[in-house]
Amino acid sequence: DAGITQSPRYKITETGRQVTLMCHQTWSHSYMFWYRQDLGHGLRLIYYSAAADITDKGEVPDGYVVSRSKTENFPLTLESATRSQTSVYFCASWDSATVGYTFGSGTRLTVV
Amino acid sequence: GEDVEQSLFLSVREGDSSVINCTYTDSSSTYLYWYKQEPGAGLQLLTYIFSNMDMKQDQRLTVLLNKKDKHLSLRIADTQTGDSAIYFCAEPKAGNNRLAFGKGNQVVVIP
Repeated sequence: DAGITQSPRYKITETGRQVTLMCHQTWSHSYMFWYRQDLGHGLRLIYYSAAADITDKGEVPDGYVVSRSKTENFPLTLESATRSQTSVYFCASWDSATVGYTFGSGTRLTVV
Repeated sequence: GEDVEQSLFLSVREGDSSVINCTYTDSSSTYLYWYKQEPGAGLQLLTYIFSNMDMKQDQRLTVLLNKKDKHLSLRIADTQTGDSAIYFCAEPKAGNNRLAFGKGNQVVVIP
């Protein structure tokens, strides 16, 4: 199916563990984004990528790492998970040929 | 601070109209967006408006844009229970094309 796929849908991990959230898009959109959604904060940008091998920090990048070796994939890694990283994470893509940004269904991450 | 401001909660009776407001900051935005988030789901693009338009109508949805005051509103006519959701207004930021979101406005439709 065309679209953005995020995995896993739900994840529980322990403090200090490394965890990777996956994001895959089928359109070859140039831009991809990672947001986190928290009550009272709306959506905040963690990292974004303008193309393969080009990534940059957003508003709240600390504690996260991204890579983009292929246009269609944009994984987000929490190097050493903390409880403050408990959140819902959304991946999105955009291209100048499209009007709106398309979002995945999200990953609900709980750090215990 | 937030680039986009929204009020947080709206309760409306089924069949009535609901109006959601937001203010934004970047006067150079080409488009402004409304996204809808149903419980447990991602964000879906609901509608958008070009910055050179004052109004856009799309079935039950009416978007009004006041560029002078940087004010955007979304009116939903004949609100239905399926309209219960969180609504976000968003503007793309120049330079990196990221979307800046408001905190969202939760709409609860009472049958």
